[in-house]
Amino acid sequence: GENVEQHPSTLSVQEGDSAVIKCTYSDSASNYFPWYKQELGKRPQLIIDIRSNVGEKKDQRIAVTLNKTAKHFSLHITETQPEDSAVYFCAASKTGANNLFFGTGTRLTVIP
Amino acid sequence: GAGVSQSPSNKVTEKGKDVELRCDPISGHTALYWYRQRLGQGLEFLIYFQGNSAPDKSGLPSDRFSAERTGESVSTLTIQRTQQEDSAVYLCASRPQTGYNEQFFGPGTRLTVL
Repeated sequence: GENVEQHPSTLSVQEGDSAVIKCTYSDSASNYFPWYKQELGKRPQLIIDIRSNVGEKKDQRIAVTLNKTAKHFSLHITETQPEDSAVYFCAASKTGANNLFFGTGTRLTVIP
Repeated sequence: GAGVSQSPSNKVTEKGKDVELRCDPISGHTALYWYRQRLGQGLEFLIYFQGNSAPDKSGLPSDRFSAERTGESVSTLTIQRTQQEDSAVYLCASRPQTGYNEQFFGPGTRLTVL
């Protein structure tokens, strides 16, 4: 089965700085890579996803990059704001597959 | 429209008691998942339902855990003879159809076993 590893487990940045969270996956057949944000006490919500036919996707201050050869993908948040503080989970799946395999999460703290 | 809902939001029980957790998926979503999230940990897959197919139970940690779903509606997760290590937030998620990957999560049920 798929194994997703995520680093770092915790990350603190100053407001305005960038944050990068990295994940690796093991199954070369995986082709869908979402990122979920979970604010304290709230449900996880999808913030961005990427499919294996592209190498990068951006949505305002958030971007995700994918390196299929190395089997790793990263979340980049620029100009961080206090409201970006949350736990971020990466995941991997195959199109049409039953399940998302989640990483263990990164707790991001943006210091005002 | 309405999102995924779960009840109760909090449940405190004594060790050895049975508990039942409920999930109402988004209407029309054919797939439904249960996850366990221990404090400060990631999402641990428990079970998956897709339409009328046999559920994928590969994530259930022991035979004390079971889940049911009738058609494409409500699901219940039952934990028998609860143990302290069962304390966690139990999250439910639903997904529209096969081939569409995004999962929509409910708010979770926080279970505390004393």
